[in-house]
Amino acid sequence: RKEVEQDPGPFNVPEGATVAFNCTYSNSASQSFFWYRQDCRKEPKLLMSVYSSGNEDGRFTAQLNRASQYISLLIRDSKLSDSATYLCVVNAGNNRKLIWGLGTSLAVNP
Amino acid sequence: EPEVTQTPSHQVTQMGQEVILRCVPISNHLYFYWYRQILGQKVEFLVSFYNNEISEKSEIFDDQFSVERPDGSNFTLKIRSTKLEDSAMYFCASSGQGEGVSGYTFGSGTRLTVV
Repeated sequence: RKEVEQDPGPFNVPEGATVAFNCTYSNSASQSFFWYRQDCRKEPKLLMSVYSSGNEDGRFTAQLNRASQYISLLIRDSKLSDSATYLCVVNAGNNRKLIWGLGTSLAVNP
Repeated sequence: EPEVTQTPSHQVTQMGQEVILRCVPISNHLYFYWYRQILGQKVEFLVSFYNNEISEKSEIFDDQFSVERPDGSNFTLKIRSTKLEDSAMYFCASSGQGEGVSGYTFGSGTRLTVV
C-alpha cells in the first residue's frame, strides 16, 4: 500500500459543481493531516488542516476517518480559481516529516 | 506576511558540477526543511534541520547532499556532483517552535536542471 494514495484524476467539472477528493494513508501512527493546493509549477500552499471532528472553511470541508485511515476534501460551488492540483499530506508518525500524495488535478470549466 | 525566500529561482548546471541552493527562512522559525519534486511526481522529503543539526533525512539525501546554516539567516542545500536525476524543483520550508507541521511555510522553489 502506498504511504499516501489519492484519486488519480484529473477531474473536470463545471463552475458551481461540488467535487470530492479522497485519500488513504498507510501509517496508523500519523498525527497530522492536511490538504495542500499546488498551482502549476508553483510551491504547495496549505489549504487546510484536517481534524478528527471534521472541519469547514467556507466552501471547503475536510473529513478524517482514523479507523479507515481515510481523508476527504469536499469543494462546494467550485470556482474557476479552484483549478489546481490538490495534495493530501500526512506527517510520518511522531515527527515533522511530511508524506505527500501524488495529487489530484482539478479543472473547473466555465 | 512573512515569506521563505529561495534563490535562484532557476539553475541550469552540467552533470558532475556542484550546486548550492539558498534559502532564507522566516526569521523566528527554528525548523528548516528541504523537499524536492521531480516533474510529474510527488513532493518528497529530503531533510529536516533543527538546532544546527540534521534531525532527519530520507534515503534520497545521500552523501552527495549536505545542508548548512552558515549564518543566522541562510539555509543552504548543496549537491556535490549533480546527476541528471537530480533535476527537480527544490522547495525550502520552515516552521516555528510549537507550531507543529501546520506551521510550515514553503518558499517558491528553485528549479534545478542538470544537463
